[in-house]
Amino acid sequence: KQEVTQIPAALSVPEGENLVLNCSFTDSAIYNLQWFRQDPGKGLTSLLLIQSSQREQTSGRLNASLDKSSGRSTLYIAASQPGDSATYLCAVTIPGAGSYQLTFGKGTKLSVIP
Amino acid sequence: EPEVTQTPSHQVTQMGQEVILRCVPISNHLYFYWYRQILGQKVEFLVSFYNNEISEKSEIFDDQFSVERPDGSNFTLKIRSTKLEDSAMYFCASDRVDSPLHFGNGTRLTVT
Repeated sequence: KQEVTQIPAALSVPEGENLVLNCSFTDSAIYNLQWFRQDPGKGLTSLLLIQSSQREQTSGRLNASLDKSSGRSTLYIAASQPGDSATYLCAVTIPGAGSYQLTFGKGTKLSVIP
Repeated sequence: EPEVTQTPSHQVTQMGQEVILRCVPISNHLYFYWYRQILGQKVEFLVSFYNNEISEKSEIFDDQFSVERPDGSNFTLKIRSTKLEDSAMYFCASDRVDSPLHFGNGTRLTVT
């Protein structure tokens, strides 16, 4: 059974700092990996989607890497801002019959201090 | 940008009552999902729906749960007889093939 773990559970950094969030998964047979952002009381916003054949994806100040063989992904946030404060979730997709289901980690709660 | 919309945002119900949670997926999306998140826990997959039928469901999605796409726009989750442990945030999501999953803002279900 696929398990997704995110470390650390919470992280507090001063504004302007670069940071890395970690995600690991137990079964390398994934279809893709997504990073999401969750704000309190809100839904999940997809940040980056990495297909299993890709090594990384970039969007603005965000860069996500994927090492399928070792079961790891990292989300790098450059020059953090207070508006980046949120919970960041990692999720992997298990290939399935015509659609796919995500297995989520518990998330890393990020606080960026002005 | 198109959004997945969910109603109501908060639903309070008594144990044993039926509830229907409603979602309007993004119009050109083909796959529809329900996920839930119990407070303080991981987001969990419930069910996926494609071509007017369930394509996958998890162990959580037992006989008390059902989904329906009654018309071209709505996608509903029904819980027939709610239990206390059904209290959670329920998220609807939709996507096309190989695109990021788009989630709604969720319905907070409180069973008393």
